[in-house]
Amino acid sequence: AQTVTQSQPEMSVQEAETVTLSCTYDTSESDYYLFWYKQPPSRQMILVIRQEAYKQQNATENRFSVNFQKAAKSFSLKISDSQLGDAAMYFCAYRIVQGAQKLVFGQGTRLTINP
Amino acid sequence: DAGITQSPRHKVTETGTPVTLRCHQTENHRYMYWYRQDPGHGLRLIHYSYGVKDTDKGEVSDGYSVSRSKTEDFLLTLESATSSQTSVYFCGTGVPGNTIYFGEGSWLTVV
Repeated sequence: AQTVTQSQPEMSVQEAETVTLSCTYDTSESDYYLFWYKQPPSRQMILVIRQEAYKQQNATENRFSVNFQKAAKSFSLKISDSQLGDAAMYFCAYRIVQGAQKLVFGQGTRLTINP
Repeated sequence: DAGITQSPRHKVTETGTPVTLRCHQTENHRYMYWYRQDPGHGLRLIHYSYGVKDTDKGEVSDGYSVSRSKTEDFLLTLESATSSQTSVYFCGTGVPGNTIYFGEGSWLTVV
């Protein structure tokens, strides 16, 4: 069974600084997708960024980028120029391509932005 | 984002009563999912559907049933609610090989 692990329950960063959230996953599949979702206090699940496993290039969305290491099964999220609005729970998730294409989540990392 | 509406958004119910949560989507997505979110566990899959009348169990399906009689609606039923089912429930939808989008969540308290 696929598992996703986020080893940092909580992280904090100074406003305008850079922070990296860690995620590792376990799978025997070669084709899959990886996601980072943001959950602010409203509890809405907001897609931050996605990565296709077959792509070697790391995905980037404005201030958000990932470091995808397929062999190491690692998928970290880097937030540059942190803003107060980035404060949230961040979930790493994995989606298999075959079958039911279920989304498997990590336990989450709570990110605090210090002004 | 997929147009996903969950109802009710908040509900308080008594132990032993049946409860049905509804997820409605407007994007004609094939896949629909029900997750629950509890502290320390992230989101865990309860049931999912890969088409009308096609459903299957997730990792925490005990005490829950689902139905999907049309593409746009996916119902989650707690046959006899227990306090352990107090949680926030999220509906997700998606198409093969793409992002799964989520509704705003349904807060359920079982007293």
